[in-house]
Amino acid sequence: QVQLVQSGAEVKKPGASVKVSCKASGYTFTAYYMRWVRQAPGQGLEWMGWINPNSGDSNYAQKFQGRVTMTRDTSIRTAYMELSRLTIDDTAVYYCARDRGDTSLTSWGQGTLVTVSS
Amino acid sequence: QSALTQPPSASGSPGQSVTISCTGTSSDVGGYNYVSWYQQYPGKAPKLMIYEVSKRPSGVPDRFSGSKSGNTASLTVSGLQAEDEADYYCSSYAGNNDLIFGGGTKLTVL
Repeated sequence: QVQLVQSGAEVKKPGASVKVSCKASGYTFTAYYMRWVRQAPGQGLEWMGWINPNSGDSNYAQKFQGRVTMTRDTSIRTAYMELSRLTIDDTAVYYCARDRGDTSLTSWGQGTLVTVSS
Repeated sequence: QSALTQPPSASGSPGQSVTISCTGTSSDVGGYNYVSWYQQYPGKAPKLMIYEVSKRPSGVPDRFSGSKSGNTASLTVSGLQAEDEADYYCSSYAGNNDLIFGGGTKLTVL
């Protein structure tokens, strides 16, 4: 079955960067876009961007452009999301999710809590 | 882009039906038939309940249905059950491979 397993929780200081990984199994990794979504405590879902694991092409939500980088390593079926210049407002659970092909997200990782605190 | 507009809360008694709305614009909800709905329990990842406005993934009960009229999409939960109490989020394709979510609706089963 499809599984997305994310890296563990992180605590970072303001101004630092964080890199979250998402290891895929149970399907052809390069066949489906991967999207990243975050959820601040008590808040709703926020789309951050996507990566095409086949080509490496990516596209980011305007809010995160210049601060986020999405990459992948096809040899280990893993997608990455790196967010730089962290602020307190970046404290959130970050999810990777497989795009069905029509922007619906059929499978989700378990989430990675990133806490930004001085 | 602003988030899609959902009511913060909705409620119904067991066995009743409840409908949650999701209002966008002609650039997202109204422009494409790519509206999805997600169910999320506290501390858990979201689960896809509806895609392409009205289609249900395998395993989702047919008590859940979706529709769209103009710039507003709707999720209807019929025959409410206690386990349906959760947060529900809509999303829509917004062009240029962008995605936009609604603010979420907390569904309470009375």
